[in-house]
Amino acid sequence: GQQLNQSPQSMFIQEGEDVSMNCTSSSIFNTWLWYKQDPGEGPVLLIALYKAGELTSNGRLTAQFGITRKDSFLNISASIPSDVGIYFCAGPYSGAGSYQLTFGKGTKLSVIP
Amino acid sequence: DTGVSQDPRHKITKRGQNVTFRCDPISEHNRLYWYRQTLGQGPEFLTYFQNEAQLEKSRLLSDRFSAERPKGSFSTLEIQRTEQGDSAMYLCASSFNEGYEQYFGPGTRLTVT
Repeated sequence: GQQLNQSPQSMFIQEGEDVSMNCTSSSIFNTWLWYKQDPGEGPVLLIALYKAGELTSNGRLTAQFGITRKDSFLNISASIPSDVGIYFCAGPYSGAGSYQLTFGKGTKLSVIP
Repeated sequence: DTGVSQDPRHKITKRGQNVTFRCDPISEHNRLYWYRQTLGQGPEFLTYFQNEAQLEKSRLLSDRFSAERPKGSFSTLEIQRTEQGDSAMYLCASSFNEGYEQYFGPGTRLTVT
């Protein structure tokens, strides 16, 4: 089945540093979604990408839809303590007419003040 | 608050008991999804509804699980004869008819003892 591989699995950074994480797949995706999840809460949608090569920003967050359509990247600039959480990439299952999302295992971000 | 809501937020039950969770989607959204998330994993798709029709079910949804959305608004997820392996966070999401952007509720944390 489809799998999304996220790296790194976890990262510790100093407040103010920039962060980069990525998501790769062996299958082509036509949509990439990035979510953030705080402990004990549901995932919150950060950015949606619909076109290969697309670069989309949401405040200090920037995400890119890879040209091969098999990867996506998320960057966070000037990290702050509230950026702590788990970041998931997701994409729609490739079955015809399916709207179920496949998720990666997440990148856990810790910010050291 | 006009986001997705779920009730209860936490449920502790003994093995063999039945449990039912409720999800109220964002009011304008036609599609409603259920996912399950275990520790260290991303959410895994269980089932989805378009209005009151259940259109997709995962193989993860054993015959002990049943979901309904009788009037195309709120949905319930019932687990019969709970097992310890059912312990997880159960997440509900909703979306507009078009597009893949899904908005999640806070989840129901189930613990089976």
